[in-house]
Amino acid sequence: EVLLVESGGGLVQRGGSLRLSCAASGFTFSAHSMAWVRQSPGKGLEWVSYISSDSHSIYYADSVKGRFTSSRDNAANSLYLQMNSLRAEDTAIYFCARELSPLVQAFDVWGQGKMVTVSS
Amino acid sequence: SYDLTQPPSVSVSPGQTASITCSGDKLGDKYACWYQQKPGQSPVLIIYQDTKRPSGIPERFSGSNSGNTATLTISGTQAIDEADYYCQAWDSNTAAYVFGAGTKVTVL
Repeated sequence: EVLLVESGGGLVQRGGSLRLSCAASGFTFSAHSMAWVRQSPGKGLEWVSYISSDSHSIYYADSVKGRFTSSRDNAANSLYLQMNSLRAEDTAIYFCARELSPLVQAFDVWGQGKMVTVSS
Repeated sequence: SYDLTQPPSVSVSPGQTASITCSGDKLGDKYACWYQQKPGQSPVLIIYQDTKRPSGIPERFSGSNSGNTATLTISGTQAIDEADYYCQAWDSNTAAYVFGAGTKVTVL
């Protein structure tokens, strides 16, 4: 079974840091680009970051650029999101997602999501 | 930045056809995809590359994309189709994925 499982969320104070992890199983992780997508309470989906299969290309939404860092460990089948200088507006459920293929910019597998709450 | 615009809500009677639009500048020159999200659940990809359905997605879901508008059509809408629907595209100019704000489909 193809699975993505996020971990590492929780409550953090404004200005603090948090690291999310996403464990992949059931597919060849190193063959797929990955992304983080978030959803604030009661709101829509917002793309956060993209990382190519070989980590050579990494992109960020303007709202998190300079504060968040995506990385991956293909040997460990894991994706990470380091979040620094957190703000109240970063409060959201964070999903990791698999890009369907290099030629198809769509996400066909999603994790269950992890809640991050930034308190002021 | 590149923006995608969706209607906030669409209502449809059971068995009828629901159409959800997604508008963006020259969206037809890009690939659009669509996700379904039910309360408390993760999004599910239902259409990619404008018209393709992933395995397991019912045939009543179809998509099109031309000009500035992509459209998701649900034919013979069922009560289980009540959900939020999001369009998404990749903007190569800004190297960014873009989501529409979502459309809530209500089956009356």
